[in-house]
Amino acid sequence: DVKVTQSSRYLVKRTGEKVFLECVQDMDHENMFWYRQDPGLGLRLIYFSYDVKMKEKGDIPEGYSVSREKKERFSLILESASTNQTSMYLCASSLLRDSYYGYTFGSGTRLTVV
Amino acid sequence: GEDVEQSLFLSVREGDSSVINCTYTDSSSTYLYWYKQEPGAGLQLLTYIFSNMDMKQDQRLTVLLNKKDKHLSLRIADTQTGDSAIYFCAERESGGYQKVTFGIGTKLQVIP
Repeated sequence: DVKVTQSSRYLVKRTGEKVFLECVQDMDHENMFWYRQDPGLGLRLIYFSYDVKMKEKGDIPEGYSVSREKKERFSLILESASTNQTSMYLCASSLLRDSYYGYTFGSGTRLTVV
Repeated sequence: GEDVEQSLFLSVREGDSSVINCTYTDSSSTYLYWYKQEPGAGLQLLTYIFSNMDMKQDQRLTVLLNKKDKHLSLRIADTQTGDSAIYFCAERESGGYQKVTFGIGTKLQVIP
């Protein structure tokens, strides 16, 4: 069964800390995405990547960076966590050659910044 | 940019049909999707429809697409308590990186 695994379900960090959220997929997917999900705002795209070492900004990249050193792993980095980054973070992946381009999502990481 | 709109909440009785509606703005969208999110979980692809289709049926699910009005709907027949979840409509743009834009989600509550 194909899987997208996010390293933590729940995370509590202090303001100003550097935070790493890890995502690993075992499906050999080219595309990987990071979203945040907030009540009333739905899913908002932070960053995405179409290949190793490639990254593109999404709709809300400010305060975040990403790293993709290996095809299966896509990391989201909060350089200096702030309370307005408290959210549910969802990682997703998809296969470039799949015509319908369906996303496979991880279970999410609920991050609280105090 | 692209925008996908859907109502926030829908309540139905068990055994009834549920209809969740969505409107989108990108007339050149290639695929449209419905995702389901159960409590505490990520999103799961439920079904999708290619933009040159009007309807797609998959067991209890029926997707209707009205391209002229840019309206997408998901009908769930014989709704069960296990269908209680948040349902997200999404569209895939045709150009550029073919990004997928999600709506804010409709919370479906099924009353026993």
